[in-house]
Amino acid sequence: GAVVSQHPSRVICKSGTSVKIECRSLDFQATTMFWYRQFPKQSLMLMATSNEGSKATYEQGVEKDKFLINHASLTLSTLTVTSAHPEDSSFYICSALRTERGSGYTFGSGTRLTVV
Amino acid sequence: AQTVTQSQPEMSVQEAETVTLSCTYDTSENNYYLFWYKQPPSRQMILVIRQEAYKQQNATENRFSVNFQKAAKSFSLKISDSQLGDTAMYFCAFMGTNTGNQFYFGTGTSLTVIP
Repeated sequence: GAVVSQHPSRVICKSGTSVKIECRSLDFQATTMFWYRQFPKQSLMLMATSNEGSKATYEQGVEKDKFLINHASLTLSTLTVTSAHPEDSSFYICSALRTERGSGYTFGSGTRLTVV
Repeated sequence: AQTVTQSQPEMSVQEAETVTLSCTYDTSENNYYLFWYKQPPSRQMILVIRQEAYKQQNATENRFSVNFQKAAKSFSLKISDSQLGDTAMYFCAFMGTNTGNQFYFGTGTSLTVIP
């Protein structure tokens, strides 16, 4: 079945530093990947849509200069949180859409980011 | 705009019993897909079941089944013979064919299976 690998699963960083999160589709090509942020006991909030070979589309209110997204290949998208602050601490989840419509999303296992 | 509503923030069910989680949605599209995802304490999102809107037959996956009422824009999930491992957050999701493959999630229902 479709597998999406997300790394790291947990990361602690100091304020002001940058953190990169990787999302890889292991056994399928993903033309589109999505990045979500999830607060405790809440639903997933879409941050941005990442399309291979083009610029990401950010949702309203998401700072594109702070959350850099790169989708350089059909199997890899990265989210870099730049100049991290404690309020960026959250659970980040990526998902990938298989080229077959209606297959749904396959989600990564998420990354718990803690900024101290 | 698409909206997905889950009106039950929390539910509980006795082990081996049956529980139904509600989901309604709003769309002007005719062709779309509906999904139920499970998020256990591990936070991994797991696809439980999906339904194509053009199919009248309700989808079934082992102990999980849906009641899809297209006219009413309702998509409920029934879990039969509930097991302790079913304890999780459950999210209903909508994906239209004209919305760039974007998912619209409901706010989730926290289900607890009581031994």
